[in-house]
Amino acid sequence: DAGVTQSPTHLIKTRGQHVTLRCSPISGHKSVSWYQQVLGQGPQFIFQYYEKEERGRGNFPDRFSARQFPNYSSELNVNALLLGDSALYLCASTLQGVNTEAFFGQGTRLTVV
Amino acid sequence: SQQGEEDPQALSIQEGENATMNCSYKTSINNLQWYRQNSGRGLVHLILIRSNEREKHSGRLRVTLDTSKKSSSLLITASRAADTASYFCARPLFSGSARQLTFGSGTQLTVLP
Repeated sequence: DAGVTQSPTHLIKTRGQHVTLRCSPISGHKSVSWYQQVLGQGPQFIFQYYEKEERGRGNFPDRFSARQFPNYSSELNVNALLLGDSALYLCASTLQGVNTEAFFGQGTRLTVV
Repeated sequence: SQQGEEDPQALSIQEGENATMNCSYKTSINNLQWYRQNSGRGLVHLILIRSNEREKHSGRLRVTLDTSKKSSSLLITASRAADTASYFCARPLFSGSARQLTFGSGTQLTVLP
C-alpha cells in the first residue's frame, strides 16, 4: 500500500504569491491533517479534515485555507505569502479514533523569497 | 506554542551506547506518541503508549510513561548511526470534534560511528 503522498516536494515562491499543496492519504483513511514545521521546531497543527469537513483549525491566519475532496485527498492553500511562511508542510492521515497513530507524508518544503 | 518539552534538546553518543530522551507535558492525556524525523523529511511513528500503560517495547525501543509526573521517556538501546534523527513526543489534543497532535521541540540525536 502506498503511504501518504505529498506534492510538490519542494517549492520556491515570491512574497505575495499564492501556493497550493496537495496530499493523498493512505487508502481507507478519512482524516487528513496539515502541520507546519519551521526549522528547529516541532510541527504545529494547521487544520484537520474528516469526511470533507473541517474539524479543527490551529492558530493560523485566514490566509491559510484547506479542503478535502470526495476521495479524501486534500489541498492546503496559502495566500499572500510572507517570508515567515517558509517551512516544511506536513500532511498526516489517520483512522478516526482516540488511540491511533498518524502517518505522515514526506512533506513539502516551501521557501518564500 | 509547543505543548510538550523534550529533554535534552541535543544528544550525541557513540554507536552501541544507549540513548535516553525525556518528554514532559502539562495536561492529562489519553496516550502519548513518539515519532522520529530524519533530516528535513516526514515523521515516522515509533510507539504509542496509552495512559493506563507504564511501559512499552518495540525492538530496541522502550518507552515509559509516568502520568503522576506527566513525563515519558524513550530509550534506544545499542544505538546505531542510522538512529541519528530528531525525536519528538506528541500527545493528542481534543477540541470539540477535532483531533490534533501537539508536539514538543524535539531531541536531536547524533550517533557517532
